[in-house]
Amino acid sequence: KAGVTQTPRYLIKTRGQQVTLSCSPISGHRSVSWYQQTPGQGLQFLFEYFSETQRNKGNFPGRFSGRQFSNSRSEMNVSTLELGDSALYLCASSLGPTETYNSPLHFGNGTRLTVT
Amino acid sequence: GESVGLHLPTLSVQEGDNSIINCAYSNSASDYFIWYKQESGKGPQFIIDIRSNMDKRQGQRVTVLLNKTVKHLSLQIAATQPGDSAVYFCAENPSKGQNFVFGPGTRLSVLP
Repeated sequence: KAGVTQTPRYLIKTRGQQVTLSCSPISGHRSVSWYQQTPGQGLQFLFEYFSETQRNKGNFPGRFSGRQFSNSRSEMNVSTLELGDSALYLCASSLGPTETYNSPLHFGNGTRLTVT
Repeated sequence: GESVGLHLPTLSVQEGDNSIINCAYSNSASDYFIWYKQESGKGPQFIIDIRSNMDKRQGQRVTVLLNKTVKHLSLQIAATQPGDSAVYFCAENPSKGQNFVFGPGTRLSVLP
């Protein structure tokens, strides 16, 4: 079974621009979560989508947004890029919650975004 | 590869020895925990998980111990190998439907 696929692998943008990152989850997984990873802050939760609906949201400004499509693929968008947005953006998919518990996250290899 | 932490605690072990990586979690209501391994240039990889109704779970060469009284999680790796060198993260899930919260990570360095 193919793993989580993130594209592009690397991206260089200029301050003020916007960027869209893409994530294809493991087949059958309906939940997609996005995390930002930086050396100083570690793994920080951005948002989670389940069945095309945003279910949870982290503490990031409104410049960070996302969406999920009917095939569970997800995109995240960052507008008006700032230098501090340089990070590894990780997407993770999971089956989603059952009636009693959550299921584990499975990560892609991330998109390395550099803002100059 | 990417740097996943400039000031991570580092554990150095001799090849063949056992490793113990510790994690203090924050939420006493958390009921599900996962250990991840992240190698340079890759995303975190699932190693083993444990739910709060257990205090120990074993996998292949790995054991996770959960002490809910002191909110402590540990990962034991038996006969550590060079391929085990990576950053290890613990993740806790406060309850069903909530997002996972990750610890800061520990860098494991295996010495030949």
